[in-house]
Amino acid sequence: DVKVTQSSRYLVKRTGEKVFLECVQDMDHENMFWYRQDPGLGLRLIYFSYDVKMKEKGDIPEGYSVSREKKERFSLILESASTNQTSMYLCASSSPGQPNEKLFFGSGTQLSVL
Amino acid sequence: QQQVKQSPQSLIVQKGGIPIINCAYENTAFDYFPWYQQFPGKGPALLIAIRPDVSEKKEGRFTISFNKSAKQFSLHIMDSQPGDSATYFCAASINTGTASKLTFGTGTRLQVTL
Repeated sequence: DVKVTQSSRYLVKRTGEKVFLECVQDMDHENMFWYRQDPGLGLRLIYFSYDVKMKEKGDIPEGYSVSREKKERFSLILESASTNQTSMYLCASSSPGQPNEKLFFGSGTQLSVL
Repeated sequence: QQQVKQSPQSLIVQKGGIPIINCAYENTAFDYFPWYQQFPGKGPALLIAIRPDVSEKKEGRFTISFNKSAKQFSLHIMDSQPGDSATYFCAASINTGTASKLTFGTGTRLQVTL
């Protein structure tokens, strides 16, 4: 089975801290994504990457950056955490070129910024 | 900017009932419409998907109805069971050749009672 692993299930940080959220997938997928999930807003795409060292902005990239140094690992970085970044963060991966591109999600990291 | 509108926000049905979740989109360039199912504490998982060249797709108890002219699609769950209680997200995407960027609806929390 495909496995997308997010390093932390719960994370509590203080305003202004630099925060790293890590994600690893074991299926050799080319594409990786970071979403945030908020009640009433659904899932919103922050950044995605279709190759090592390649990244593209999603719909809400402000306040975030990403890093993809290895194919299996995709990191989300909050340079200076703010309270409005308190959210559930979901990492996903996929392989392009399929008839129906399927996203495989991790279980999420619930981040609280105090 | 909400490109995929989903309703209702929550839904309670009795076992055996047929919950219906509706979605509407604006961008006619969307070419893939999946539904994801999310259980508490888990990431979303692909449930069923459809492309705009067909009007209906059925997989087991789950059916997508698609109306291209109205730019609407819906999920029907036949003979619903308590185990179907979950949050359901519709989505739409455009394949850019490198990665499909999914735009999600806001989610519907379904509860199936005994």
